Amino acid sequence: GESVGLHLPTLSVQEGDNSIINCAYSNSASDYFIWYKQESGKGPQFIIDIRSNMDKRQGQRVTVLLNKTVKHLSLQIAATQPGDSAVYFCAEKSGANNLFFGTGTRLTVIP
Amino acid sequence: GAGVSQSPSNKVTEKGKDVELRCDPISGHTALYWYRQSLGQGLEFLIYFQGNSAPDKSGLPSDRFSAERTGGSVSTLTIQRTQQEDSAVYLCASSLKGKGTDTQYFGPGTRLTVL
Repeated sequence: GESVGLHLPTLSVQEGDNSIINCAYSNSASDYFIWYKQESGKGPQFIIDIRSNMDKRQGQRVTVLLNKTVKHLSLQIAATQPGDSAVYFCAEKSGANNLFFGTGTRLTVIP
Repeated sequence: GAGVSQSPSNKVTEKGKDVELRCDPISGHTALYWYRQSLGQGLEFLIYFQGNSAPDKSGLPSDRFSAERTGGSVSTLTIQRTQQEDSAVYLCASSLKGKGTDTQYFGPGTRLTVL
């Protein structure tokens, strides 16, 4: 079966620093990946996505990198702010209609 | 516009009781998903509805779980004879077409506690 995992369950960064959250996936057939942010008491919120025919995609203060060779995905947050504190999930889709989610990384921004 | 809404936000029930959780998707979205999130865990897919097609029930953990979607809009997830291991946050999401790279928009979830 598929598995989506994260290298670090928790990450603490100083306000203003850049954050990097990593994710490994096991299904080489996965063709679409998404990062979600989940704040306490709320549902996951879409951040950014990337298709398997790309290796990098940038949004506002966020960049997603995809390395299909090692089946690795990362989310980079520039100039991390206190409002970025949340749990971040990567998810993958491989032809089916549902997403497979990782267990999440808790990002804590230290003022 | 309005996002995905879920009710109740919290539900406490006794073991063995039945519960119903409701999801109102974004208007116009044809696809609806249910997920379960246990404490400190990722999201576990439960069931998927797309238009008038037969639902994908492959994620339902047991026959105590069922869901329906009436009129292609509101959905109800029912858990019969609840067990303590059913305690989790149940999340609903909807997307425009449910295909390919459609973004799934999540509701705030219903926190279920089975005593």
